[in-house]
Amino acid sequence: DGGITQSPKYLFRKEGQNVTLSCEQNLNHDAMYWYRQDPGQGLRLIYYSQIVNDFQKGDIAEGYSVSREKKESFPLTVTSAQKNPTAFYLCASSINEAQPQHFGDGTRLSIL
Amino acid sequence: QKEVEQNSGPLSVPEGAIASLNCTYSDRVSQSFFWYRQYSGKSPELIMSIYSNGDKEDGRFTAQLNKASQYVSLLIRDSQPSDSATYLCAVSLLNAGNNRKLIWGLGTSLAVNP
Repeated sequence: DGGITQSPKYLFRKEGQNVTLSCEQNLNHDAMYWYRQDPGQGLRLIYYSQIVNDFQKGDIAEGYSVSREKKESFPLTVTSAQKNPTAFYLCASSINEAQPQHFGDGTRLSIL
Repeated sequence: QKEVEQNSGPLSVPEGAIASLNCTYSDRVSQSFFWYRQYSGKSPELIMSIYSNGDKEDGRFTAQLNKASQYVSLLIRDSQPSDSATYLCAVSLLNAGNNRKLIWGLGTSLAVNP
């Protein structure tokens, strides 16, 4: 089945640690996105990529990094510089910016 | 003014009634409009896309778009308790760099009471 796979489902980060969230899609979509959602709040864009080997900062990129070495993969690293990382992280993909985005099941990140 | 606005709710309707969810947006040249449903603790799922003025029906769902008035609405007929969720409106807008970007509303919480 075509879709977007995020892993792990739950992740715990220790103080000063970098952690990487995985996102893989087999929809052959060019565009991929990372969002953060806090309780009772909307989706906030962290990074997006419209094509392989290129990505742009979203609204809240500080403390995060990404790479897009393959069309299918768009991993997100939450660095130790992100002081408030506890949130629900959602990866999405779309054919292009005018088409709907499709989401993975999300990763819940908490601080130990 | 926010670029995409929705009433946060909660909107409460009895089972079997019509639920009406509204969304207004700020950009006159928007062309793509989407409604998503998000259950508590889950990721958003696409339920409707609409690109031109008028109504689009899919089962119990109808999306209505009025570009002149800059609003898009979602009607849910014969509401069921399983429709209880947060409904997110998303609009493809031009940003300052003249690039298209999907802007999300904060969502409207719907509760369907048995």
